[in-house]
This record gives sequence, structure tokens and C-alpha cells, in this order.
Amino acid sequence: DAGVIQSPRHEVTEMGQEVTLRCKPISGHNSLFWYRQTMMRGLELLIYFNNNVPIDDSGMPEDRFSAKMPNASFSTLKIQPSEPRDSAVYFCASSIGPASEQYFGPGTRLTVT
Amino acid sequence: KQEVTQIPAALSVPEGENLVLNCSFTDSAIYNLQWFRQDPGKGLTSLLLIQSSQREQTSGRLNASLDKSSGRSTLYIAASQPGDSATYLCAVRLNDYKLSFGAGTTVTVRA
Repeated sequence: DAGVIQSPRHEVTEMGQEVTLRCKPISGHNSLFWYRQTMMRGLELLIYFNNNVPIDDSGMPEDRFSAKMPNASFSTLKIQPSEPRDSAVYFCASSIGPASEQYFGPGTRLTVT
Repeated sequence: KQEVTQIPAALSVPEGENLVLNCSFTDSAIYNLQWFRQDPGKGLTSLLLIQSSQREQTSGRLNASLDKSSGRSTLYIAASQPGDSATYLCAVRLNDYKLSFGAGTTVTVRA
């Protein structure tokens, strides 16, 4: 199994640009999570999908952030427009069920200048 | 709101010594608790998951205990090796999906 796949691994963009992060969960996993990790705030849950349906998006910082899961094998996290304070590492994780062991992808390191 | 604390923030030990990593949480009504390892610039690797009904869980040199009533979990790593150097994160699950993470303990094992 290839594990959770994220792309790109690194993204550098200018303030105001649109950024799209991609995630492919482990096959057979029904739950998908997007997290953000910063030195100041640690790991924060942004949004949780179950069976492709967003269940909890209370962690999405503001309307500039949006996430979709069009099918069981693909999810995107979009930031539009991006700001320097969005610079962080964004992780995608998946699990068989919502309370099961979570498996993390390698992350996308986002730098907004 | 669930607060998860990991002390110490950093730990340095000589190779071969046993490691003891502590995690405390404020709300004892947890669903389960998961320990992760994070290497610099990498994602999180799941080490152990302990259900709320369990007292401990073991995997190889790793043993994690859980005391819900006192709001504590401890991760023991026996006979540490330089390859064990990493940041170890504790995460508590309150409901059926949401994990609350501690800030982690950064471990250095000196050869």
C-alpha cells in the first residue's frame, strides 16, 4: 500500500494567488482529515469528511479556505486568495472509520510570500 | 475544551537507556488515545492506539499505558537507539473522530 499521497510536497506562492493542495487517501478508508501544523499552534484539524461528505468544517479558518472530496480517492484543499499567515505544513490523513487509527500523508509545506 | 500537555518538551538520553514520555489531558471522557512519531520534515507515523477500555498497548520495544481517571498516558521505549530520535506526539480523541494533539516531546538518543 502506498499510504496517503499528497501533492505537491512543497509550494511557494505569492500573496493573493490561489493554492490547491491534493490528497489521495488509502484505498478502503472512508474517513479523511485535513490538518494544518504551525510552530505556534501545533496540529489543528481543518475539516473532516466521512464517505466523501464534509462532516465538520469548524476548523477552516475563514472563507478563503475550501475543501472538496468529489470521490473516495481524491480530495482538495484550496486557499483563495492566499496570505503569508497561511504558511504552514498541511497534512491529509485517512482512516477506515472515524475513530480508527489515522494514517498521515507526508504533508505539503506551503510558503506564501 | 480538551487540553493535551506533553512534558518534557525535549529529552536527550544516551543509547540503550529506556525512554519515558508523558502525556496528560484535562477531560477524562476520552474515546481513545493515539501516539505518533514525527521525523523532521516528515509526516506523522502512528505508533500505538489505546482504546478507552484498555490499560496498555504494546508493539515491539514500545509500550503505552493509559490511566483515564488521572488523565495520563505514558509511552515507554525500551533500550533506545539513535534511530528513535524524533518528535513524539500524543493525541486524544474525545468524540468519534476529532483528535486533540499535544505539542510533542523531541527526543535525541546519543550514540
